[in-house]
Parts: sequence; C-alpha cells; structure tokens
Amino acid sequence: AQTVTQSQPEMSVQEAETVTLSCTYDTSESNYYLFWYKQPPSRQMILVIRQEAYKQQNATENRFSVNFQKAAKSFSLKISDSQLGDTAMYFCAFMRANTGTASKLTFGTGTRLQVTL
Amino acid sequence: KAGVTQTPRYLIKTRGQQVTLSCSPISGHRSVSWYQQTPGQGLQFLFEYFSETQRNKGNFPGRFSGRQFSNSRSEMNVSTLELGDSALYLCASSPGTGNNNSPLHFGNGTRLTVT
Repeated sequence: AQTVTQSQPEMSVQEAETVTLSCTYDTSESNYYLFWYKQPPSRQMILVIRQEAYKQQNATENRFSVNFQKAAKSFSLKISDSQLGDTAMYFCAFMRANTGTASKLTFGTGTRLQVTL
Repeated sequence: KAGVTQTPRYLIKTRGQQVTLSCSPISGHRSVSWYQQTPGQGLQFLFEYFSETQRNKGNFPGRFSGRQFSNSRSEMNVSTLELGDSALYLCASSPGTGNNNSPLHFGNGTRLTVT
C-alpha cells in the first residue's frame, strides 16, 4: 500500500514571495505518478502539476514547479510570486501506473496555504 | 467543455435514511470515481466505474454503492446513514482508457450532513 505524508498542516506566505510545500511518500512501485492538487474554498479539486516517476526532469507549470527526488521519495511544490488566489488547501497525491485503472489516487492530509498582503 | 457536475451541492439527512448523489462527467469521459473527504480521515477513494462496470473499490462498507449509466453519468448511494457519513463527496472523471496518464477532473462535491 502507498502512503503520502504532508508534514506541514498550515503555511503562510506574503504576496509575491516564494513558498515550498513538502510531501513525502512511500511505495514499492517503480512506476507511478505524483500530483499536486489545489482545493480553494469553492471545494473543487484543481490539478496544479503532475510528475511522472520515470522522468528525471522536474515538472514546471508557470509559477509552480516541483522538486522530485525519487530515491528520497520526496515531492515538494514550489510556488513562486505567490498571489492571493493561491490561498487554498494543497494536496499531494500518488497514483500507480499501468494498472488499467486511472483513478485511484492516494492523498496526503493537505497543507493549508494562506497568502497575505 | 462543461466540467464535472455534481448534484445536489448540499444535502441534509437523518440517521437511518438513505441518500443518492449524482455525478455527470466531462463529455467523452468514461471513467467516474468517487472520493469521500472528512476532516478526520482526509480524502479516501470509494470506487471507480468504467463503461457501467465497477472497476475498482476502496475499503468502505457495503452501505456505500454506486452505478454508472450508459451515458457515463454515475450515482452513488449510501444506505442506513450514520453520523460518520457526514462528509464532502467528490466525483472525478477521466477518459479512463488504458492510458492512465490522464489526470482526474473533479466536481465541486456534494456536502452531506447526517443529523
């Protein structure tokens, strides 16, 4: 079974600053996907960024980037130039690859990020 | 393209009753999965349906069931409601074909309160 751990329940960052959210996971799988999802007060889970385990290059999406350390089983999210709209719960999630089913995500407990003026 | 639509957004039920939640996936998506979100247990996978068949199931009691229709819309049913079933129920859709590289697209959820 897979586990995902987010050790920071809450974080705060000032607008325009950079913040890093931590995530570690445990698995015996060699091929898998990792995700960061954002859940604002509207409750909808929004995909922020995705990393494929077999790719060594860290994924980047505009102001969002990850630091993927496969050997350490670490997958942190860096948000640059933080904006008020980034205020949300952030969930790290794991999905096994090549199972024929696309949908079983294992989530961490989340980090509540507050962006302040 | 319209997103994943869940109805109703809010629901209040009494212990012992049953409830049905609905989810309409993104057009063309054939996989629908359900997740329960509570403060205590976090986000937990309930089940996944693909082409009207349950393809994967989480560790929930038999009171939780679901089905999928030929148009890929899905319903989730909880019978004999308990206070602990109070949660946000999230539905997610994906193309669901053999390539599981596609990310899940989530709806806004149904907030169920059991009194």
